[in-house]
Amino acid sequence: EIVLTQSPATLSLSPGERATLSCRASQTIASYLAWYQQRPGQGPRLLIHDTSIRAPGIPGRFSGSGSGTDFTLTISNLEPEDFAIYYCQQEKAFGPGSKVEIK
Amino acid sequence: EVQLLESGGNLVQPGGSLRLSCAASGFTFSSYAMSWVRQAPGKGLEWVSAISGGGSTTYYADSVKGRFTISRDNSKNTLYLQMHSLRAEDTAVYYCAKEYYGGLEPNYYGFDVWGQGTTVTVSS
Repeated sequence: EIVLTQSPATLSLSPGERATLSCRASQTIASYLAWYQQRPGQGPRLLIHDTSIRAPGIPGRFSGSGSGTDFTLTISNLEPEDFAIYYCQQEKAFGPGSKVEIK
Repeated sequence: EVQLLESGGNLVQPGGSLRLSCAASGFTFSSYAMSWVRQAPGKGLEWVSAISGGGSTTYYADSVKGRFTISRDNSKNTLYLQMHSLRAEDTAVYYCAKEYYGGLEPNYYGFDVWGQGTTVTVSS
């Protein structure tokens, strides 16, 4: 059973800054890693699938990378609407989430 | 517009039963495996169950196996989750989710459409 851990749990940044979020798997996984954004009171929104492919309609400031056990979601030039919780997912497992909050 | 709309959430006593529904529109429902994912209050996401596009194969998290049953009616474009023997730890918002990639069997490569969620509260 794959276990995903995410770090940091909370990231405090200002608009315009870059956010780097990490997702680590308990074992080597295929590149079928997905990232989601969840804003308060809303359902999750698919941002990235297959590690690095942006879902339709997702802005270019979101990018994903990684392989093996270590994966990264980068949000360049944070916009006000980007302050939210981000989850990674591989197969049936979800990470615990990373919150990006306004500093 | 591709859309999922859940319903059926309610307050139920421990040991009770509930059936959730998810109405799909805007895509060829039978061509996609579907999942239920839940989120307990203040917690993260937990995959609960999945079903193939034709409805012949089903998959469950260990935490709900034997208590929950997933099904679908492709003629009505509707996904269901029948829940029995409910426990306090089943309290959550339940989302239905569509797989990004088509294909009759679940692949879990990403869920591109989510409903707004329906709330299940298990309490006496």
